Amino acid sequence: EAGVAQSPRYKIIEKRQSVAFWCNPISGHATLYWYQQILGQGPKLLIQFQNNGVVDDSQLPKDRFSAERLKGVDSTLKIQPAKLEDSAVYLCASSRGQGAYGYTFGSGTRLTVV
Amino acid sequence: DAKTTQPPSMDCAEGRAANLPCNHSTISGNEYVYWYRQIHSQGPQYIIHGLKNNETNEMASLIITEDRKSSTLILPHATLRDTAVYYCIVRNDYKLSFGAGTTVTVRA
Repeated sequence: EAGVAQSPRYKIIEKRQSVAFWCNPISGHATLYWYQQILGQGPKLLIQFQNNGVVDDSQLPKDRFSAERLKGVDSTLKIQPAKLEDSAVYLCASSRGQGAYGYTFGSGTRLTVV
Repeated sequence: DAKTTQPPSMDCAEGRAANLPCNHSTISGNEYVYWYRQIHSQGPQYIIHGLKNNETNEMASLIITEDRKSSTLILPHATLRDTAVYYCIVRNDYKLSFGAGTTVTVRA
């Protein structure tokens, strides 16, 4: 099966600009996750979707971050305005359901804010 | 989720078994132990998980102590491609919470 697709692979922006990341999960996977991974740290969950509904966004900085999953398939994560501390790899993952053990991660988008 | 403790780094010789320890002394009865690894510039990859019994698959073996307070991931014949950060995670709900993991370097 095809993996989790993410784009772009790399992005460099200036602080206060906006940026968007796209994720296409594995076909049939109902649950989608966005993680933020700062250099040298493990990934941190930002938001989880079950189909097109939000299950958990407790770690999402809602003043600048937003995410949507229209039609329960693709998802977009947006940052507006970006700060220097947002420099990180943004990982998307999907699974068949909330309790499923086999999360599949994409390769991520590396964001650099200058 | 229960907290896990892993050594920050370890080396392993190519072709030898790599034994990666993880302490999870506050684990509760319904929490699973998961292992993921992350190769440089890639997303994390699922390796194995278990509750009480030892588990084995094509990638690795997971040994969980009888009191479930610690576990060991065993890579039976490490190769250079096994160089990665390995994460031990205790999970009882839908979330995977990653710590800093163990950086494993396999040397020729």
